[in-house]
Amino acid sequence: RKEVEQDPGPFNVPEGATVAFNCTYSNSASQSFFWYRQDCRKEPKLLMSVYSSGNEDGRFTAQLNRASQYISLLIRDSKLSDSATYLCVVNGAGGGNKLTFGTGTQLKVEL
Amino acid sequence: NAGVTQTPKFQVLKTGQSMTLQCAQDMNHEYMSWYRQDPGMGLRLIHYSVGAGITDQGEVPNGYNVSRSTTEDFPLRLLSAAPSQTSVYFCASRFSGGSYNEQFFGPGTRLTVL
Repeated sequence: RKEVEQDPGPFNVPEGATVAFNCTYSNSASQSFFWYRQDCRKEPKLLMSVYSSGNEDGRFTAQLNRASQYISLLIRDSKLSDSATYLCVVNGAGGGNKLTFGTGTQLKVEL
Repeated sequence: NAGVTQTPKFQVLKTGQSMTLQCAQDMNHEYMSWYRQDPGMGLRLIHYSVGAGITDQGEVPNGYNVSRSTTEDFPLRLLSAAPSQTSVYFCASRFSGGSYNEQFFGPGTRLTVL
């Protein structure tokens, strides 16, 4: 089983739609969790951290379920500019203070 | 601040050649790392460093060497390039000590080995 798993997509959604991504991790001792965004042929950039109580940043909501070992990202009112690959990142999934990246979920927002 | 910088942006090598990918950061981050990104594989950790003079292997270290003589610089050396090393390489840095520190990436080096 991979340490961090994501559905690769692509998710094709119309502008204004709500879309959700899930990610599962295998190590119950994992310490912290993030969503990174990667545009085509660019470097990944932090979108948001994911905290135990859940957190929101504008149209983006992240949730963590430690019991079931998954995190989620919800995007409301999708914009064309949200089109990107979303990477699930877990600190400690492989042990130690190292980040393990999922393979990414591709989102395409269409007119 | 320039953040994390990488050179070169693009490189083509022949099998057996060696080269060094440069990485520098100006944020005084203790932790630096090198990843490679291949289609369908995600980012995989090659080597990392928790401070000057300290390096360790990641998930895919074979064929690569690193050193960390200063806080700012973390070069990655390909000893004898192979076609399997064709990839996009990202350098990254962050503060140590906390589990929620943001990791910053350089713009990447696109390497092709013929």
